[in-house]
Amino acid sequence: AQSVTQLDSHVSVSEGTPVLLRCNYSSSYSPSLFWYVQHPNKGLQLLLKYTSAATLVKGINGFEAEFKKSETSFHLTKPSAHMSDAAEYFCVVRTLRSSGTYKYIFGTGTRLKVLA
Amino acid sequence: DSGVTQTPKHLITATGQRVTLRCSPRSGDLSVYWYQQSLDQGLQFLIQYYNGEERAKGNILERFSAQQFPDLHSELNLSSLELGDSALYFCASSPGQNFEKLFFGSGTQLSVL
Repeated sequence: AQSVTQLDSHVSVSEGTPVLLRCNYSSSYSPSLFWYVQHPNKGLQLLLKYTSAATLVKGINGFEAEFKKSETSFHLTKPSAHMSDAAEYFCVVRTLRSSGTYKYIFGTGTRLKVLA
Repeated sequence: DSGVTQTPKHLITATGQRVTLRCSPRSGDLSVYWYQQSLDQGLQFLIQYYNGEERAKGNILERFSAQQFPDLHSELNLSSLELGDSALYFCASSPGQNFEKLFFGSGTQLSVL
């Protein structure tokens, strides 16, 4: 069975310090993986995606994630946090059903707090 | 402004009732996705339509249904509403069918009393 686990429900960092948001997945097949960000009272925005190309994926706003198959992880990182990064982040795994349609599984989200 | 329009922005109704949420995708986008965000269950993908046909299904209850019309707008129908259905319902659209380049609406806040 496919699943995705975001290991931290809340993360607090100081402005200017690195960000690490952890995501582990379980999938019988080679998955596609995504990170989305949701700012308060707004919709989701795609940060980056992995679809079996380069394992180190660079996204918007300085974020990047590395797909590690041996560790079944897809952690999101950023070298230096900005106040505007404070938001909810979702890790998503997409797999293909035998019917040919996609199945999307969302993590429960990690709330990032950035301290001045 | 993402270009995705959801109406209404807020909806208050009673248990047992039925409501319809509407989504107009960005011009040119063929896919529409519906999501539910509630406090206790987090964000959940409900269903995707692509060019009028169901493309992917997530954790959508049998009491819920959706459709995409020829003009590509979509409606999410929620029936026999329960208190636990209170949530923020998001719609998103994308040009293709592969969950990429999603643009999200601002959501409809549903309160079931």
